[in-house]
Amino acid sequence: SYVLTQPPSVSVAPGQTARITCGGNNIGSKSVHWYQQKPGQAPVLVVYDDSDRPSGIPERFSGSNSGNTATLTISRVEAGDEADYYCQVWDSSSDHYVFGTGTKVTVL
Amino acid sequence: QVQLQESGPGLVKPSGTLSLTCAVSGGSISSSNWWSWIRQPPGKGLEWIGEIYHSGSTNYNPSLKSRVTISVDKSKNQFSLKLSSVTAADTAVYYCARMASAAVAARWFDPWGQGTLVTVSS
Repeated sequence: SYVLTQPPSVSVAPGQTARITCGGNNIGSKSVHWYQQKPGQAPVLVVYDDSDRPSGIPERFSGSNSGNTATLTISRVEAGDEADYYCQVWDSSSDHYVFGTGTKVTVL
Repeated sequence: QVQLQESGPGLVKPSGTLSLTCAVSGGSISSSNWWSWIRQPPGKGLEWIGEIYHSGSTNYNPSLKSRVTISVDKSKNQFSLKLSSVTAADTAVYYCARMASAAVAARWFDPWGQGTLVTVSS
């Protein structure tokens, strides 16, 4: 089964840049999607197809994907960005969707 | 815009069957989208359970396949989840979600329902 590894936590000061990685074998060949989940709420899509943003998602959220690592970047971090973030791909070897382990972003 | 709402019992006994329904509003379940169930145990990460198309075609997570059935009711614009032989490990918040109309290898989940907590306990 395909494994997506994320750092358990990332801490960042307001106004700075947060980078959340998602590691997987040759993940650069897959489409990666990112979700934000605030406490007690359902996940919300923030980036799809590696680097596209749904309507309503601030330009501060961006994504990239190459080699064995995909990255979600949050620029000019705000207190409201504090949440858990999950990456997601399709695992063709076992025909199912896989989520990353999740990263808790803390705004200092 | 499409909205999804999960419903069903919040408490299920061990060895019983968990049954949930996802009502779709603001759009048709017969659109060119797949529809999924995802769960999240308390304090843990997300796990995809399975998906269904309005034709009735399904795909399931191999780790749950023997216990899962997903069905669709086009007349009610809803789809359902049944998970049999449940144990405490099946205690989780269960979400339904629409999947992007894209190739299978590129699909994402958007939007999601608000989720419903199902506890397995006697």
